[in-house]
Amino acid sequence: AQTVTQSQPEMSVQEAETVTLSCTYDTSESNYYLFWYKQPPSRQMILVIRQEAYKQQNATENRFSVNFQKAAKSFSLKISDSQLGDTAMYFCAFMKPTRHTGTASKLTFGTGTRLQVTL
Amino acid sequence: AAGVIQSPRHLIKEKRETATLKCYPIPRHDTVYWYQQGPGQDPQFLISFYEKMQSDKGSIPDRFSAQQFSDYHSELNMSSLELGDSALYFCASSLGGTGKNSPLHFGNGTRLTVT
Repeated sequence: AQTVTQSQPEMSVQEAETVTLSCTYDTSESNYYLFWYKQPPSRQMILVIRQEAYKQQNATENRFSVNFQKAAKSFSLKISDSQLGDTAMYFCAFMKPTRHTGTASKLTFGTGTRLQVTL
Repeated sequence: AAGVIQSPRHLIKEKRETATLKCYPIPRHDTVYWYQQGPGQDPQFLISFYEKMQSDKGSIPDRFSAQQFSDYHSELNMSSLELGDSALYFCASSLGGTGKNSPLHFGNGTRLTVT
């Protein structure tokens, strides 16, 4: 079974600064997918960024980028130029690929990091 | 763009009552997942369906059942409700099948309160 660990329960960053959220995972799979989801106070779950394990290039989405270290099983999220709207719970999630027709890959979540962006 | 639609947004039930949660996936998505998120916790996987067949099962109590219908919408039926069932219930959808591995898109959730 896969496990996802987020060791930072809470973090704080000032507006316009950069912050990095950590995530490690454990799996015996060689190919898989990693995600960061954001859950603001509205409790909506919003996909932030996605990384495919067989791609060496780190994914980026505007101010969000990841540092994917496959050998170390590490998948950190960097938020640049933090904005007040980035205040949310951030969940790291793992998905193993489907191999058989009729199966659906579920997400396994970490316990989350609560990020507070301050003025 | 169309998103995952969940209804109702809020639901209040008493202990031992029954509740039905509905989920309408993004058009053309054939896979639906149900997650339960307790206060201050990460979402826990309950069950998933691909092409109207149960695909995977997680920590879903026997008191709960779910199905996916011919139009791909899904319903989560919860009976003999307990106080501990109070949580936010998310539905998510994706394009399933071998090799697709598309990300899950979540609905806004149904907040169930059991009193």
